[in-house]
Amino acid sequence: DAKTTQPPSMDCAEGRAANLPCNHSTISGNEYVYWYRQIHSQGPQYIIHGLKNNETNEMASLIITEDRKSSTLILPHATLRDTAVYYCIVSMTNAGKSTFGDGTTLTVKP
Amino acid sequence: GAVVSQHPSRVICKSGTSVKIECRSLDFQATTMFWYRQFPKKSLMLMATSNEGSKATYEQGVEKDKFLINHASLTLSTLTVTSAHPEDSSFYICSAPGQGETQYFGPGTRLLVL
Repeated sequence: DAKTTQPPSMDCAEGRAANLPCNHSTISGNEYVYWYRQIHSQGPQYIIHGLKNNETNEMASLIITEDRKSSTLILPHATLRDTAVYYCIVSMTNAGKSTFGDGTTLTVKP
Repeated sequence: GAVVSQHPSRVICKSGTSVKIECRSLDFQATTMFWYRQFPKKSLMLMATSNEGSKATYEQGVEKDKFLINHASLTLSTLTVTSAHPEDSSFYICSAPGQGETQYFGPGTRLLVL
């Protein structure tokens, strides 16, 4: 699986959009981009995934660049409960084992 | 939606004892489950892949005789930490792939070995 690079930490004001970047410059053509988050002392939670096109669900939006070498997870209206570690993972399938990097610690502040 | 549970949620044991952690898929079947370990302020590290009906596959550096994995049924995998020592204290998390290319993670088990 391709390696990902994320900033170690970010802050966001409550109610504002949180934009979390991820670099995956070695991604191959059949690899998806998956995003998970882990709230303190809990198991990771699936957020969203995509291959080429931008994706949106009830939790977030995923923007993938045209060359697929980077992506951005967008939480449109961050709340205090969105404070967590966000992991970007690149893999051919989500049914297999996941290789977690260090992730980005997002702190949403009032 | 699909749920994965773990039991117990936290356990404290004495050094030298063995501890069993259960991982269950509550409303779906999982022929494969994954076990991760997470130390404080660190990321999740894959320990092993649990396979129903066959032996588990361990990641490099993980002692298979110390971390016994049994995938007893299509909804249950167990991880037994044998002869636990303080350095085995960690947060243990399991996961299982569900439908629609989604991986479901359990809530984790916090192990403290005294």
